Amino acid sequence: NAGVTQTPKFRVLKTGQSMTLLCAQDMNHEYMYWYRQDPGMGLRLIHYSVGEGTTAKGEVPDGYNVSRLKKQNFLLGLESAAPSQTSVYFCASRRTSGAGSYEQYFGPGTRLTVT
Amino acid sequence: GEDVEQSLFLSVREGDSSVINCTYTDSSSTYLYWYKQEPGAGLQLLTYIFSNMDMKQDQRLTVLLNKKDKHLSLRIADTQTGDSAIYFCAESPNAGNNRKLIWGLGTSLAVNP
Repeated sequence: NAGVTQTPKFRVLKTGQSMTLLCAQDMNHEYMYWYRQDPGMGLRLIHYSVGEGTTAKGEVPDGYNVSRLKKQNFLLGLESAAPSQTSVYFCASRRTSGAGSYEQYFGPGTRLTVT
Repeated sequence: GEDVEQSLFLSVREGDSSVINCTYTDSSSTYLYWYKQEPGAGLQLLTYIFSNMDMKQDQRLTVLLNKKDKHLSLRIADTQTGDSAIYFCAESPNAGNNRKLIWGLGTSLAVNP
């Protein structure tokens, strides 16, 4: 199993440009999450999904959109990037039941810089 | 509201024990977690404890849970330079079905040779 993978690993955008971050998991997990990590702020939840075709807002959803058309993929979109969206983005997934089912498995992260 | 607090920095000498502390507010939490983040990498689950336990030991790691004080600690015995990382405490509130975790800001552990 590859676990949770994220594409791309690094990206530099100009203000106003758009992009999509892709998260894929091969563990058949129902739940998927997008976080951003900023110095001194810890992990903040952007959006999450409890199953294929469903999405919900987290703590900091503004400026982002998501889609979960397939169970294994969770896409995070930035329609018009702003410097405040410079961050490291992490995707995570988890299964719904069983021992330790609250464990979230993380991808390696995408480092995004908006100039 | 729900909150998880932990100290931001800890520095120890190689071979000593490290103790990282965490306090949380949600008494309904079912699982409490310690995640480890090495430089440039994602987070990995280090260990977790169920809320009906007081202690869990796994090789060099000991987790202590004091539910009365809502205090969680992670002890790393014989700390090695490879243990240098950021350690996140997280709780899983019982309420809701979306299984969101409440995260601390992370404790940066520096191990000095």
